Amino acid sequence: AQKVTQAQTEISVVEKEDVTLDCVYETRDTTYYLFWYKQPPSGELVFLIRRNSFDEQNEISGRYSWNFQKSTSSFNFTITASQVVDSAVYFCALSEKGGSEKLVFGKGTKLTVNP
Amino acid sequence: GAGVSQSPSNKVTEKGKDVELRCDPISGHTALYWYRQSLGQGLEFLIYFQGNSAPDKSGLPSDRFSAERTGGSVSTLTIQRTQQEDSAVYLCASSLVAWAETQYFGPGTRLLVL
Repeated sequence: AQKVTQAQTEISVVEKEDVTLDCVYETRDTTYYLFWYKQPPSGELVFLIRRNSFDEQNEISGRYSWNFQKSTSSFNFTITASQVVDSAVYFCALSEKGGSEKLVFGKGTKLTVNP
Repeated sequence: GAGVSQSPSNKVTEKGKDVELRCDPISGHTALYWYRQSLGQGLEFLIYFQGNSAPDKSGLPSDRFSAERTGGSVSTLTIQRTQQEDSAVYLCASSLVAWAETQYFGPGTRLLVL
C-alpha cells in the first residue's frame, strides 16, 4: 500500500532562514513518481516538482531544492533564504505505477515565514 | 492557457439536498481526477476518469456520490442527500494523459452542508 508521511505539521521560521520540509514514503512498487505541491492561503494547489523513481539526481530551482534518497525512502524539500511569500501548506505526494494513477498525499506541512 | 476551472466556488446547502459540482479541465487533457480536502482527512482521492470512462471509483465514500464525464471534457460530481460530513473542499485536477503525468488542480469548490 502506498503511504506518504510528512511528520512536520507546522514550521515557523524568520525570513532569510533556510528550511527543510521532510517527506517519507512507502511503496511496494519499483516504479513510481513523487511530487511536491504548494497550497498558499488562496487555496489552489500549485505544482512544484515531479520526480520518477529511477532518477535520484537532486534538483535545484532557484531557492528551491529537492533531495531524493531511495535508500531512506525520502524526498525532502529545502527552501533557501525563505521569504514571506513562501508561507503556505506544502504537500508531498506519491503515484505508483500500479496505483491507478491517483495521487496519495501526505497530511501537509504548514510553513510560516515571519518578517 | 486556461487552467482547470471549477464551479461554483462556494456552495452552501441544507442537509438532505442534492448538489452538483462542475469541473472543466485543461483543454486537451484526457485524464481527470476528483479529490476531497477536509480538516480531518487531508487530501483524499475520489475518482479518476480516462476520457469518459472511470477506471477507478474506489475513493467514492458512499453510493450517494457519483460522477460523470461527457465528451471527454467537463465532469460533474453529484452528491445526493448531503450530510454534514460531506462538508469539504472538492478539488478537480487534470493531466495530459494519465499515469506519471503531472496533475494540475483547479481552485476547488468549498461545500458547506448545514
